Amino acid sequence: TQLLEQSPQFLSIQEGENLTVYCNSSSVFSSLQWYRQEPGEGPVLLVTVVTGGEVKKLKRLTFQFGDARKDSSLHITAAQPGDTGLYLCAAPPATGGGNKLTFGTGTQLKVEL
Amino acid sequence: GAGVSQSPRYKVTKRGQDVALRCDPISGHVSLYWYRQALGQGPEFLTYFNYEAQQDKSGLPNDRFSAERPEGSISTLTIQRTEQRDSAMYRCASSFLPPASSSYNEQFFGPGTRLTVL
Repeated sequence: TQLLEQSPQFLSIQEGENLTVYCNSSSVFSSLQWYRQEPGEGPVLLVTVVTGGEVKKLKRLTFQFGDARKDSSLHITAAQPGDTGLYLCAAPPATGGGNKLTFGTGTQLKVEL
Repeated sequence: GAGVSQSPRYKVTKRGQDVALRCDPISGHVSLYWYRQALGQGPEFLTYFNYEAQQDKSGLPNDRFSAERPEGSISTLTIQRTEQRDSAMYRCASSFLPPASSSYNEQFFGPGTRLTVL
């Protein structure tokens, strides 16, 4: 069973600060996704990374896929209260294909004024 | 364009009762997934369908849990003889599987059904 470990588990910061969330596994993935989940809602896809070493930017969010495709990071610049939520990485099976996703353990982010 | 809908949003039941949770995916979406999510954690896979065919049910905890999608659209997750440990948020998601299917289709999640077993 593939496991996706996220760190930190909880993060509380002030508006304007920068932060990085990590997603690590011992498995190699064909792709990896990042989702954000707001209170009372379901997860919403932010980005999919596919190529080892790939970097994608979404406004103040920068996503990177590790060279070996075993890990990923999410960096947020100048965090805002609207960034508050549960951040989840997710990946399809390392082998066998299919659309079943394994989600990471989650990082709960709170950005305060 | 309506998103994924689930009903009921909240369900309180007594231990030993059966419950049926409904998911209505986005129109035209081929794949439908069921997850269970604990507070503050990532969703845990239960089962998924392509059209009406159940492709993988490896995540169902035991034989009290079953799911169906008889016409390839609406799906029902049924839990028989509920136990307190079944209390959780149950989420449904759907994705469009294009003919040249890729391994990273976006899944669209519903609002979930909060199940409480007393």
